[in-house]
Amino acid sequence: KAGVTQTPRYLIKTRGQQVTLSCSPISGHRSVSWYQQTPGQGLQFLFEYFSETQRNKGNFPGRFSGRQFSNSRSEMNVSTLELGDSALYLCASSSIQTGEETQYFGPGTRLLVL
Amino acid sequence: AQKITQTQPGMFVQEKEAVTLDCTYDTSDPSYGLFWYKQPSSGEMIFLIYQGSYDQQNATEGRYSLNFQKARKSANLVISASQLGDSAMYFCAMRPRTDKLIFGTGTRLQVFP
Repeated sequence: KAGVTQTPRYLIKTRGQQVTLSCSPISGHRSVSWYQQTPGQGLQFLFEYFSETQRNKGNFPGRFSGRQFSNSRSEMNVSTLELGDSALYLCASSSIQTGEETQYFGPGTRLLVL
Repeated sequence: AQKITQTQPGMFVQEKEAVTLDCTYDTSDPSYGLFWYKQPSSGEMIFLIYQGSYDQQNATEGRYSLNFQKARKSANLVISASQLGDSAMYFCAMRPRTDKLIFGTGTRLQVFP
């Protein structure tokens, strides 16, 4: 079974631009979560989607948004990019949305904002 | 408040030796899952092992075992017979019921010959 895939793997943008990252979960998984990882802040939860509905949201500004499609694929969008948005963005999927369910991660998208 | 604490920023271990990575957690939720992930320099987060809060026995997965002490709220990862390829960042994580997955700050493990 194929793992979680994320595209693109690397991205360079300039301040003020917007970016869209994509995540395809493991086949059959309905829950997708997004995380931001930076050296200073560590791993921070962005949001989680289950069956096209946002179920949890982290403490990020409204510039960060996401959605999930009927095939469980998910996208996250960051508008008006800032230098501090440079990070590794990780997507994870699980079959259901409970504490007992393991989340499997994709390879991540490295975003550099200049 | 929900929190994961990893007090060891870095650890060194010789090849073929065992090593324990510490993790303590805090939650008021009686039902939760505990996880360990490995992150090599490539960046991908690799799932290693899971322990449920109601599991009576410690979880094991090959060379990985989780030393779960519920009363002390600790979930230490034990890697037996370390290999050079085990050098990476290791993250402890917890998820209470349907809440978000919370990560610790990680421990960088370096295995030397």
